[in-house]
Formats: sequence, structure tokens, C-alpha cells
Amino acid sequence: EVQLLESGGGLVQPGGSLRLSCAASGFTFSIFAMSWFRQAPGKGLEWVSAIGGSGTDTYYADSVKGRFTISRDNSKNTVYLQMHSLRAEDTAIYYCAKDQITGDGIWLMSYWGQGTLVTVSS
Amino acid sequence: EIVLTQSPGTLSLSPGERATLSCRASQSVSSSYLAWYQQKTGQAPRLLIFGASSRATGIADRFSGSGSGTDFTLTISRLEPEDFAVYYCQQYGRSPEVTFGQGTRLEIK
Repeated sequence: EVQLLESGGGLVQPGGSLRLSCAASGFTFSIFAMSWFRQAPGKGLEWVSAIGGSGTDTYYADSVKGRFTISRDNSKNTVYLQMHSLRAEDTAIYYCAKDQITGDGIWLMSYWGQGTLVTVSS
Repeated sequence: EIVLTQSPGTLSLSPGERATLSCRASQSVSSSYLAWYQQKTGQAPRLLIFGASSRATGIADRFSGSGSGTDFTLTISRLEPEDFAVYYCQQYGRSPEVTFGQGTRLEIK
């Protein structure tokens, strides 16, 4: 059974940093692309960042480019999202998600974790 | 960037009724790379439909998707109590930069 467990969320002051983790199990982690999404309170879904299976290829939304860094440790079956220079508008539930099919070049996230809440406030 | 517009914003129906949710794209969605997700309160989104009309693993056959080009529809044939949730359409493809509609809230009448 696929499981994705996010952690690392919490309350941080504007300008601060936080690192989110997503521990995966139930599938061959190293061959699947992974993505991070977020959802501000009462709002819709927004794509944040993505990473290929090997970790070489990384992608970012314009809203977080230069402030967030995605990475993965395939030996630990974990994907990370390092967040710097946090702003109030980064307040959201952050979800990690797993690609549906490996190797087909299509980015469709078929399974999402339960999320971790990040609150940026003084 | 493709903008997805969902309608209606809120749909009030009773269990047993048929639900029809719409998603319109600002430009044609290539290869019908259009997905639908269900999100219940306090839960993560769950993939229902991909490729405009293919049901994801474990999804009940009362859920069906249709459409192509710029107009897509999610139909729930007979509503069950557990179907009341928010539904999002999403366009995807060969870029990880996906976009979502603003959501349709399906509520019990």
C-alpha cells in the first residue's frame, strides 16, 4: 500500500526557514517523480515544486523560485522541501504527491499524502 | 498557462440524484490530459479521473468523465452520502507545472 507521510510543518516568523519531509513507502521510490502542492486555508490547490526520480531534474512555481529547494534521498525514501524567506502568503497545508506512472514523461500525481500545515506569522 | 474555470461554484443535490460538474479550459487541453480530484473536508485530494474519462484505481463506476478540447464534464450518476465534497479539475501533461480549477463544492440539499 502506498503511503506518504509529511512532517516538518509548524509556526514560523516571516523571513524564517522550514524544511518539510515526505517519507514514502509501499512502492519503489527511486523510480517515481514526486511533487509538492499547497493549499492556503479555505482556498484551492497550487502546484509548488517537482523532482524527477533520480533527483537531477527539479522544477519550481514562479511564486517560490529562488526561495524553496526540492530534493530527495532515495536511500531514505524521502523527498524534502527546504523553504527560506517565508512570507505570510506561504501559509498553507503542504502535500507531497507521487507520480502515477514512471518513465512515460507525463506528470500526473495519483496519490497524495495527508499534508502538513505551515503557518507564517509573527 | 491554461486557465480552468469550473461551474457551478456550489451544487446542492440530494443523495440518489445525478450530479454534473463542468470544467472549461482557456485553450485546448492536449491529448485530453484532464483529471478530476475529490477532496473531502480535512483530507488530501484523491484522483478520480484521468485522461478525461479513465477512472483511477478503486474508483466507483458511478463516477464518469467526458469531454475533449476545452470542455469537460464529471458526472456522478447516483449520489451517495460520501460523495459530498469539493471537486477540482486539473490539466497536466509533459510539464510538472499543472493547474487546477477553482473547485466545485457539492453539498447536500
